[in-house]
Amino acid sequence: ETGVTQSPTHLIKTRGQQVTLRCSSQSGHNTVSWYQQALGQGPQFIFQYYREEENGRGNFPPRFSGLQFPNYSSELNVNALELDDSALYLCASSLSHSSYNEQFFGPGTRLTVL
Amino acid sequence: AQSVAQPEDQVNVAEGNPLTVKCTYSVSGNPYLFWYVQYPNRGLQFLLKYITGDNLVKGSYGFEAEFNKSQTSFHLKKPSALVSDSALYFCAVRASMDSNYQLIWGAGTKLIIKP
Repeated sequence: ETGVTQSPTHLIKTRGQQVTLRCSSQSGHNTVSWYQQALGQGPQFIFQYYREEENGRGNFPPRFSGLQFPNYSSELNVNALELDDSALYLCASSLSHSSYNEQFFGPGTRLTVL
Repeated sequence: AQSVAQPEDQVNVAEGNPLTVKCTYSVSGNPYLFWYVQYPNRGLQFLLKYITGDNLVKGSYGFEAEFNKSQTSFHLKKPSALVSDSALYFCAVRASMDSNYQLIWGAGTKLIIKP
């Protein structure tokens, strides 16, 4: 069984640029969630994708967008990067979109915006 | 608004002693409650969850948690701490009727187990 993987591991961008982060879900999981974790804080929910549709979103602006593909892998896109976007971005997959399912996390992508 | 509070930034426990990491929550309706652990340079790992039923939930690595509806708490416990339990612990909650599927996280508690 393959776990959740994310790429790249680290990324450095400058303010105003755009970035795409990638995530492969665990085998058999059809739901992917994305989180932003600032240093010393808990994860903040960005959005959730189920069967290629966004079905939940946290308090993040529209410049944070995503995609889910037929194989359930996912992308997080962030446009017009700001300094405050510097954080660890976590991807998590689950068996289904049901709220009681636990999530399985990838190692994260560390984004630094200069 | 939904929220999770972990009142202690850090908990220090001697190896072999019982440990408790505290969590309180606020949601509309019934909660689904989770504990995750984050080791250095590793991803978040699921420990246990409360959905319904027995208030005492048992999870991985000998951890358990007790759901207390009247006190809106879900404290994590272990009878005998190991040095290898040292890590960052997060409590999280979802409202069962939240159509947004938003998982709300606490700020985390650093657990240090001293030999």
